[in-house]
Amino acid sequence: DVKVTQSSRYLVKRTGEKVFLECVQDMDHENMFWYRQDPGLGLRLIYFSYDVKMKEKGDIPEGYSVSREKKERFSLILESASTNQTSMYLCASSLGTANTEAFFGQGTRLTVV
Amino acid sequence: AQTVTQSQPEMSVQEAETVTLSCTYDTSESDYYLFWYKQPPSRQMILVIRQEAYKQQNATENRFSVNFQKAAKSFSLKISDSQLGDAAMYFCASPQNNNDMRFGAGTRLTVKP
Repeated sequence: DVKVTQSSRYLVKRTGEKVFLECVQDMDHENMFWYRQDPGLGLRLIYFSYDVKMKEKGDIPEGYSVSREKKERFSLILESASTNQTSMYLCASSLGTANTEAFFGQGTRLTVV
Repeated sequence: AQTVTQSQPEMSVQEAETVTLSCTYDTSESDYYLFWYKQPPSRQMILVIRQEAYKQQNATENRFSVNFQKAAKSFSLKISDSQLGDAAMYFCASPQNNNDMRFGAGTRLTVKP
């Protein structure tokens, strides 16, 4: 079975802190994604990566950056956390194009205080 | 820009009855797949069903089936013989470009015993 693992299930950080959310997949997938999930807004794409060291902005990249130094790992970075970044963050991976099934991690619920 | 629209924030169904969840989408792809994902309270997102756009036949997976209207860009999910375990958030997804997947705002389904 494909496994996508997010480093934390719950996280509480202070305003202004630099926050790292880590995601690891074990199926050699090319594509990896970071989404933010908010009630009434569904999943919004922050960034995605289709290869090592490659990244593309999604719909809401402001305030975020990403890193993909190895194929299996995709990190989301909040440079200076703000309260409006309190949300659920979902990582996903897929093989090849967006026409293949995405596999998701269990989500990280981040609270910025 | 919103490319996937789910117009029903909440739906409810009686156990053993049938319910249909609506989705409309917009994509520039000519050959693509569409997806329905389920997110139960455990938060683990899982694939429910997938439709290939070039296939005229609607996809079915046990009690789950789709009504795919390509010209109307409509992709609804029908759940037959609803069970308590079907209670979840349901997300419709379509590719925007070749590599990234976009999701709707979700429909929360309640199943009444």
